[in-house]
Amino acid sequence: EDKVVQSPLSLVVHEGDTVTLNCSYEVTNFRSLLWYKQEKKAPTFLFMLTSSGIEKKSGRLSSILDKKELFSILNITATQTGDSAVYLCAVEAGTYKYIFGTGTRLKVLA
Amino acid sequence: DGGITQSPKYLFRKEGQNVTLSCEQNLNHDAMYWYRQDPGQGLRLIYYSQIVNDFQKGDIAEGYSVSREKKESFPLTVTSAQKNPTAFYLCATSGTNSYEQYFGPGTRLTVT
Repeated sequence: EDKVVQSPLSLVVHEGDTVTLNCSYEVTNFRSLLWYKQEKKAPTFLFMLTSSGIEKKSGRLSSILDKKELFSILNITATQTGDSAVYLCAVEAGTYKYIFGTGTRLKVLA
Repeated sequence: DGGITQSPKYLFRKEGQNVTLSCEQNLNHDAMYWYRQDPGQGLRLIYYSQIVNDFQKGDIAEGYSVSREKKESFPLTVTSAQKNPTAFYLCATSGTNSYEQYFGPGTRLTVT
């Protein structure tokens, strides 16, 4: 059975800290891995990863995929209170088939 | 203003009543999806549609029905057969050449 597991489930840090969120997967037909940020309602797209070892970066956020060990990490440096959200990892495991993890709830304290 | 709209934002219903959630998009995307999100759980796929007049069951389709009469619209009906309908429902779309899904703002359904 295809599955995506995220860790930790929740995390509380102080502004300025660096955090690393983990996403591991087991799927039979991997096509891509996606990261989303969900604040209150609609998840918003952060990154899509298809190749191992190539870091994607956007401001203070970066992500990398390891297709051999079947995981991805999302790094956030110099965290701000606005980074507080649920971060979702999803794997596209076939045409129109997306498997989501349970998410990591991040709270950044001022 | 392009995007996905879902209505209503909040919906309250009595047990035993069917209810329809609206999802409209103007992104010209072929594929549309309905997900359910419960506290502490990831998004779970209810139904998806690749093209007009065609749709497929997802992992938790029991107690739900959909239609896709127009490219822009993919309404979801939560029937009285759904045993635990209270949840946050998200509609999403994706284009032909993109792996990324775009999400609507969601509808929070409460059934008492």
